[in-house]
Amino acid sequence: QSALTQPPSASGSPGQSVTISCTGTSSDVGGYNSVSWYQHHPGKAPKLMIYEVFKRPSGVPDRFSGSKSGNTASLTVSGLQAGDEADYYCSSYAGSNSLVFGGGTKLTVL
Amino acid sequence: QVQLQESGPGLVKPSETLSLTCTVSGDSISTYYWNWIRQPPGKGLEWIGYIYYSGRTNYNPSLKSRVTISIDTSKNQFSLELSSVTAADTAFYYCARGLRDSGTYYTRTFDCWGQGTLVTVSS
Repeated sequence: QSALTQPPSASGSPGQSVTISCTGTSSDVGGYNSVSWYQHHPGKAPKLMIYEVFKRPSGVPDRFSGSKSGNTASLTVSGLQAGDEADYYCSSYAGSNSLVFGGGTKLTVL
Repeated sequence: QVQLQESGPGLVKPSETLSLTCTVSGDSISTYYWNWIRQPPGKGLEWIGYIYYSGRTNYNPSLKSRVTISIDTSKNQFSLELSSVTAADTAFYYCARGLRDSGTYYTRTFDCWGQGTLVTVSS
């Protein structure tokens, strides 16, 4: 069982927005601004989309945004495109030299 | 553009040691933190540990007693050894680079990953 809770699936039509949640506790998500999000197309290398809750690495479209409220972090994908269909994972520093991941959310573009 | 490639046996017997190597191309290994992460089929990701080019390591406490990560800067490679494996260690194993942004190292954020390699533990 993963330490962070993500919905197993999410979906939206092209052009729409979708938000994926990542719920932890005050010992991880709520306690640190060290939340990251990864996009994973099966069989390919995962890709960093968001780090430090809301920062975007260079090359990541601004359609991807991150936020956090309390013990829940969120990834919002705006203007959905077919290529956004993938698995998305969140992670958070959890203190005491530990890092925890979410179980992943499969995003489907309808 | 930096690329990472995992290599090693795809099948390991129970109680033996799993050994994998990550070859880094397109950049020097002598700058970043280098990580191993795994994902059992159908399950979530688990951080295994990292090594800095200096040789300094840091491991997931839950795996620390069985993990060794080493680095060979002359070959631009780093390696993972996981001892006394069981079926629970069956997973896709990824190597990944720790993010460095404006001089700051983010040791728990991974900006470049390999495609992963499946290691099955079975007799």
